[in-house]
Amino acid sequence: GAGVSQTPSNKVTEKGKYVELRCDPISGHTALYWYRQSLGQGPEFLIYFQGTGAADDSGLPNDRFFAVRPEGSVSTLKIQRTERGDSAVYLCASSLGGNEKLFFGSGTQLSVL
Amino acid sequence: AQSVTQLDSQVPVFEEAPVELRCNYSSSVSVYLFWYVQYPNQGLQLLLKYLSGSTLVKGINGFEAEFNKSQTSFHLRKPSVHISDTAEYFCAVKGQGGSEKLVFGKGTKLTVNP
Repeated sequence: GAGVSQTPSNKVTEKGKYVELRCDPISGHTALYWYRQSLGQGPEFLIYFQGTGAADDSGLPNDRFFAVRPEGSVSTLKIQRTERGDSAVYLCASSLGGNEKLFFGSGTQLSVL
Repeated sequence: AQSVTQLDSQVPVFEEAPVELRCNYSSSVSVYLFWYVQYPNQGLQLLLKYLSGSTLVKGINGFEAEFNKSQTSFHLRKPSVHISDTAEYFCAVKGQGGSEKLVFGKGTKLTVNP
């Protein structure tokens, strides 16, 4: 595709439910990043993939958060037992790696009621 | 670990005025520095980056930034802003030789008024 695609664009769920957020990176981009952006804050790093493997998952806040990229392309961020504090915009970005620029998607607005 | 401080959360300016958005960073290792911009209802996009070499970096849309190692700063400047520059600007840092993790500041909302 032309850019990084994130689905859904909006997700409303209830406290305690499980959610999956999907990211389709730009074709050929080996690096994929997940960030979380709360209102009035900058993007907060969650996890970085190089190919299929999570090269750095130090930003995942706890074990309720998990992300996969099984074929080195599409990635899914999974959140178990959602809490109201998980409400934020979840951003995905991809790049060719190294210091090449990150291309960001428009994000998924997650609201936990 | 790296951190970024953007000293101004909001900067209002008039059209055609100069602007400077301030960014300071902290790191125990050498860094790469970036400015990203987020226009209303759009995703973040790269404005410019400093990797090495000349400390004055020019980016898109007439923006430039200067890396100052002694002051650990990477301020963003534009000599004459337009209404269309209204956006949120994020400074970001990455440590050299380590993780590919890019650490962002909290952002500065630039509002250009007619």
